[in-house]
Amino acid sequence: AQKVTQAQTEISVVEKEDVTLDCVYETRDTTYYLFWYKQPPSGELVFLIRRNSFDEQNEISGRYSWNFQKSTSSFNFTITASQVVDSAVYFCALSFYNTDKLIFGTGTRLQVFP
Amino acid sequence: DAGVIQSPRHEVTEMGQEVTLRCKPISGHNSLFWYRQTMMRGLELLIYFNNNVPIDDSGMPEDRFSAKMPNASFSTLKIQPSEPRDSAVYFCASSLKPGGGYEQYFGPGTRLTVT
Repeated sequence: AQKVTQAQTEISVVEKEDVTLDCVYETRDTTYYLFWYKQPPSGELVFLIRRNSFDEQNEISGRYSWNFQKSTSSFNFTITASQVVDSAVYFCALSFYNTDKLIFGTGTRLQVFP
Repeated sequence: DAGVIQSPRHEVTEMGQEVTLRCKPISGHNSLFWYRQTMMRGLELLIYFNNNVPIDDSGMPEDRFSAKMPNASFSTLKIQPSEPRDSAVYFCASSLKPGGGYEQYFGPGTRLTVT
C-alpha cells in the first residue's frame, strides 16, 4: 500500500512555541519523493519542500526544518518560534519516479495564537 | 513570474447548468493537473496531462466531467450538467516535467457553488 498518514488533525500553540507536524508514509518502492505544502486561510496551496528517498539529510530554511528518517518512514516538519502567520493547514505528500500523481495526507491544521 | 492562473475565482451556478473552469499553467511547465478539494474527501486528483496529452483521468467522477488541453498554455475543466454535489474548490497545478520528482505549483483555485 502507498499511503501518507498525518495523525495530527489539529494543533494549537501560542506564538513563539516550537511545533512539529508529523508525517508517516508507506511504500515498498525504493525511489520516491516527499513533499510538504502549506494551505493558508486564503486557500492556495504553497509548495514548501521536496525530498527524494536517497537524500536523508535534514534541511533547515529559516524557522522551518524537516527531519527525514527512512528507518521510521517519517518526514516531520518543525516550525521554530511559531508566528500567527504560520496558521494554516499543512499537507505532506508522496510521489514516485514513474508517476506524476501526488498522494496527499489528510492535512494538519495548525493554529498559532498571539 | 506569473504563477498558475485560474479563472473564474468564484462561480455560483444553478443545478443543470454547464460550468467551465480555466487554467493557464506556468510558462515552460509540461505537466498540468486538475484537483478537487472538499471537506469530506480532501484533495482528489481528477486528471492530469503531460505535454498536452491526458495521461490519467481515473479520478474524474463521472461522464459529466471533461477536461481538455488544446495547447501548452491553456486547459479547461467542464462540468455538464452541474449538480450540487460538485460544489468544491477546484485547483489547477503545473510542474516542470513529467515524473514524480518535480514539485507541483498550484493556482489559487476556483470555488464552485452549485445551487
